[in-house]
Amino acid sequence: GNSVTQMEGPVTLSEEAFLTINCTYTATGYPSLFWYVQYPGEGLQLLLKATKADDKGSNKGFEATYRKETTSFHLEKGSVQVSDSAVYFCAHTMDSNYQLIWGAGTKLIIKP
Amino acid sequence: DGGITQSPKYLFRKEGQNVTLSCEQNLNHDAMYWYRQDPGQGLRLIYYSQIVNDFQKGDIAEGYSVSREKKESFPLTVTSAQKNPTAFYLCASSTRTGHTDTQYFGPGTRLTVL
Repeated sequence: GNSVTQMEGPVTLSEEAFLTINCTYTATGYPSLFWYVQYPGEGLQLLLKATKADDKGSNKGFEATYRKETTSFHLEKGSVQVSDSAVYFCAHTMDSNYQLIWGAGTKLIIKP
Repeated sequence: DGGITQSPKYLFRKEGQNVTLSCEQNLNHDAMYWYRQDPGQGLRLIYYSQIVNDFQKGDIAEGYSVSREKKESFPLTVTSAQKNPTAFYLCASSTRTGHTDTQYFGPGTRLTVL
């Protein structure tokens, strides 16, 4: 069936460290892939997306590449800031309808 | 400014009462969604609607009801049948042009049962 697996959090890093949050998916067909971010007490915001294999989504210094061969969409950032502290969700679309399949979220804590 | 509004931001309910959460969008999106989020967990789909006057149950529809009388509005009623309604509720909307559609989220309503 369809699913998304994210690395468990919390992930704790120091400011300016390199970030990787792993995401792998199981899906039929050719899903689109998304990363959303949720700041404390708020709704989700789209961070980036990729709609076909080898596409790279990028925004605010974050990047993720659609790897069909490894069914992965890992989120990376070269130098994190305290303001990046949030929960990050990976998701993919389903071929059959307009729903999103969600990962459980990864909490990121950046220490000064 | 286009976007999705949810009201109220915080809602308190006594046990046994029904309560309705508002969700309005001015993005001209056909599809709308309701999710529930519990502390430290991901999103679970309650109901979704792809077009006016039509909606489908999601994964956890029991104890909830919705209506979609207008394109802009998709209110969620949490009924007394919902055994554990305390949670953060998120509304989202998207176009229906294809599988690349992005869901856009409102700020959420935090419901607490007293």
